[in-house]
Amino acid sequence: KAGVTQTPRYLIKTRGQQVTLSCSPISGHRSVSWYQQTPGQGLQFLFEYFSETQRNKGNFPGRFSGRQFSNSRSEMNVSTLELGDSALYLCASSWGGGQQETQYFGPGTRLLVL
Amino acid sequence: QKEVEQNSGPLSVPEGAIASLNCTYSDRGSQSFFWYRQYSGKSPELIMSIYSNGDKEDGRFTAQLNKASQYVSLLIRDSQPSDSATYLCAVTGGNEKLTFGTGTRLTIIP
Repeated sequence: KAGVTQTPRYLIKTRGQQVTLSCSPISGHRSVSWYQQTPGQGLQFLFEYFSETQRNKGNFPGRFSGRQFSNSRSEMNVSTLELGDSALYLCASSWGGGQQETQYFGPGTRLLVL
Repeated sequence: QKEVEQNSGPLSVPEGAIASLNCTYSDRGSQSFFWYRQYSGKSPELIMSIYSNGDKEDGRFTAQLNKASQYVSLLIRDSQPSDSATYLCAVTGGNEKLTFGTGTRLTIIP
């Protein structure tokens, strides 16, 4: 079974631009979560989508948004990019998003904001 | 206070010895606990999950959970150079979101 895939793998943007990242979960998985990883803050939860609905949200500003499609693929968007948005963005999928379910991570998208 | 705390390390352990990684959490409602391993430049991969008090063993890895003390640990026996990585403790709280510690960098010295 193919793992979680993320595109693009690397991205360079300038301040003020917006960016859209894509995540395709493992086949059959309906829950997709997004995380931001930085050296200073570590892995921080952004949001989780299940059946096209945002089910949980972390403490990030409204510039960070996401959506999920009927095939469970998910996108996240960051508008008005700031230098501090430079990070590794990881998506993780699980079957139903339950507390005891393992989340499987994709390879991540490394975003650099100049 | 951070919700999940780990010693940032780095932790250096001789090859063949036992590596001990510790994690504390603040939410008493937490029910699920995970240890992920992350190699430099790679994404996290699950090593162990534990849900009830006590020990859980899987090969060279043992996870220990003490909910009364809000403490979870990971022991790696017969440490190998390939175990050198950052180990992330993660906890699922009452709101069901996965919260990670900042990770402990482990180096196994040959």
